[in-house]
Amino acid sequence: EIVLTQSPATLSLSPGERATLSCRASQSVSSYLAWYQQKPGQAPRLLIYDVSNRATGIPARFSGSGSGTDFTLTISSLEPEDFAVYYCQQRSDWPLTFGPGTKVDIK
Amino acid sequence: EVQLVESGGGLVQPGGSLRLPCAASGFTFSSYAMSWVRQAPGKGLEWVSAISSRGSGGNTYYADSVKGRFTISRDNSKNTLYLQMNSLRAEDTAIYYCARDQGAYTSSWYKDYWGQGTLVTVSS
Repeated sequence: EIVLTQSPATLSLSPGERATLSCRASQSVSSYLAWYQQKPGQAPRLLIYDVSNRATGIPARFSGSGSGTDFTLTISSLEPEDFAVYYCQQRSDWPLTFGPGTKVDIK
Repeated sequence: EVQLVESGGGLVQPGGSLRLPCAASGFTFSSYAMSWVRQAPGKGLEWVSAISSRGSGGNTYYADSVKGRFTISRDNSKNTLYLQMNSLRAEDTAIYYCARDQGAYTSSWYKDYWGQGTLVTVSS
């Protein structure tokens, strides 16, 4: 099973600041990695797929990069609605796996 | 508008069974792979099971933690996804989400639409 590790566990930032979230895979997932956002009491929302492609309706302030085992989600300038938990997910191999999440909270 | 509506959750005793339906609308259900993802209270996301589209053979996939106990199926005539859960354990307690996989006909295995979830509690 491919294990995904996310860091940091919590990121405390202010609106307008840049957020950089990391996802590391236990083995190469090539470019088969996605990012989701989840707010309290809501279902997750797909943000980024195949490392760097924004899903429909996702603002340009969200971007993804990386390959192989190391990936980054960047939020260029945090908006109030961006404070949430972010998960990465790989589809390179079965079983599909999610990372444990990074919580972005307000400093 | 794509809609996914789960139901069937509730309180069940350890060792018991439950069947979760997910009613889909707003898209050609048979053309999309579908998945179940769960989230234990206060915890992260765990993929549970997936089924490919009819055109891809309706293949099924399971997490090791549920293999042999859970069965995913779909009724394309009713636009409904199912999760049959048997031999339930306390650690199966979670919100269960139904999710559509991105991309018609070819499964991307990323989930672009999610239901609101249904809570399953396994306790005596």
